[in-house]
Amino acid sequence: QSVLTQPPSASGAPGQRVTISCSGGSSNIGRNTVNWYQQLPGAAPKALIHSDNQRPSGVPDRFSGSKSGTSASLVINGIQSEDEADYYCATWDDSLLCGVFGGGTKLTVL
Amino acid sequence: QPQLQESGPGLVSPSDTLSLICTVAVDSISTSNYYWGWIRQPPGKGLEWIGSVYFGGSTWYNPSLKSRVTISVDTSNNQFSLKVSTVTAADTAVYYCARQPRTTVVKFYFDSWGQGTLVTVSS
Repeated sequence: QSVLTQPPSASGAPGQRVTISCSGGSSNIGRNTVNWYQQLPGAAPKALIHSDNQRPSGVPDRFSGSKSGTSASLVINGIQSEDEADYYCATWDDSLLCGVFGGGTKLTVL
Repeated sequence: QPQLQESGPGLVSPSDTLSLICTVAVDSISTSNYYWGWIRQPPGKGLEWIGSVYFGGSTWYNPSLKSRVTISVDTSNNQFSLKVSTVTAADTAVYYCARQPRTTVVKFYFDSWGQGTLVTVSS
């Protein structure tokens, strides 16, 4: 059972907007910045968003992140077939004194 | 050339110690700009942080693994290592090493990952 809760799956047709949520608590998302990772099939995770809403260089601007209170969201505007992957949110938990990942969301492009 | 590369045995016997090395290319592991971390992923499951190390020797471990894990740095070879003792089948996973920017603002962010190495615990 992950400290951060994500929906196990999400889907959308090419070109649609998809939102993936990440719900936590006051000791993790409520206090620390949230990062997102993309894991393509058979590959290592890749940094997608850091500091709640910052994209590393090279990440397309159709990916965006936001945070409100103890929840965070990853939005993909205009999804493409190559976006089909697993997405993980992550942050530090000040009570557990531990880095925590969400359980992951598998995105299917219909 | 990958920035980080894991290496070590792909098969470990139950109750033995799992040992992996991450070789860091491009960066100097002795930089003050980064921590260095290990993350694992059991087959078909999600990511789990194991722990992180700073070149000066400071370490941070997942409390659930702390009693069995040691992470250390070898500055002469620009490597850092992971040891997990008394392994069971539950430790079977792909093990990733990763680079973690050391900032006061961003916590627990890994900006570069190795390709991962599968370690199977079985007799």
